Amino acid sequence: NAGVTQTPKFRILKIGQSMTLQCTQDMNHNYMYWYRQDPGMGLKLIYYSVGAGITDKGEVPNGYNVSRSTTEDFPLRLELAAPSQTSVYFCASKDRDTGELFFGEGSRLTVL
Amino acid sequence: GQNIDQPTEMTATEGAIVQINCTYQTSGFNGLFWYQQHAGEAPTFLSYNVLDGLEEKGRFSSFLSRSKGYSYLLLKELQMKDSASYLCAVMDSNYQLIWGAGTKLIIKP
Repeated sequence: NAGVTQTPKFRILKIGQSMTLQCTQDMNHNYMYWYRQDPGMGLKLIYYSVGAGITDKGEVPNGYNVSRSTTEDFPLRLELAAPSQTSVYFCASKDRDTGELFFGEGSRLTVL
Repeated sequence: GQNIDQPTEMTATEGAIVQINCTYQTSGFNGLFWYQQHAGEAPTFLSYNVLDGLEEKGRFSSFLSRSKGYSYLLLKELQMKDSASYLCAVMDSNYQLIWGAGTKLIIKP
């Protein structure tokens, strides 16, 4: 069972570079989320989607973009990377019946 | 504003019992979750409470009092592998999860 798969696991970016974090789930969940987690802090919601073609901003969306062309995929785009975007990023999907979130393994991003 | 409070760090002894508290103030309430997160890993689901009372699941139990805005996670017969961060999260009126900063639990032999 693959669950939620996100890539890459680690990445170092230079200031001003762009990149896309990939996220795929095989549980046919409509709800998907992108979070960032800074040391000693809780998870902060960046963007979420309630289904293909529908996305919405979370708590900290600035500097990021998302798309949801299929139920399975929910990529997160970082434009013009800044040191403040150094963090661990988690993609998650939600079982609508139980409310349980299933997380990917995380992507550790460093912007230098 | 919305707020979830839990202790930053706790220490307990292997074989003992520990209680991790969580208090919340949110716009609406549609359930409270506890997740476990080992260092460098993703959070994994532990429990879900939407009604008042105690939910028991093996060595772990979770309690909820909606009138007090309070929950706790009780871990019994502590094992070294229980060393992790424990995250409290509340689903608000918009069905969005509001997360606490997590409680780092250190288990000593």
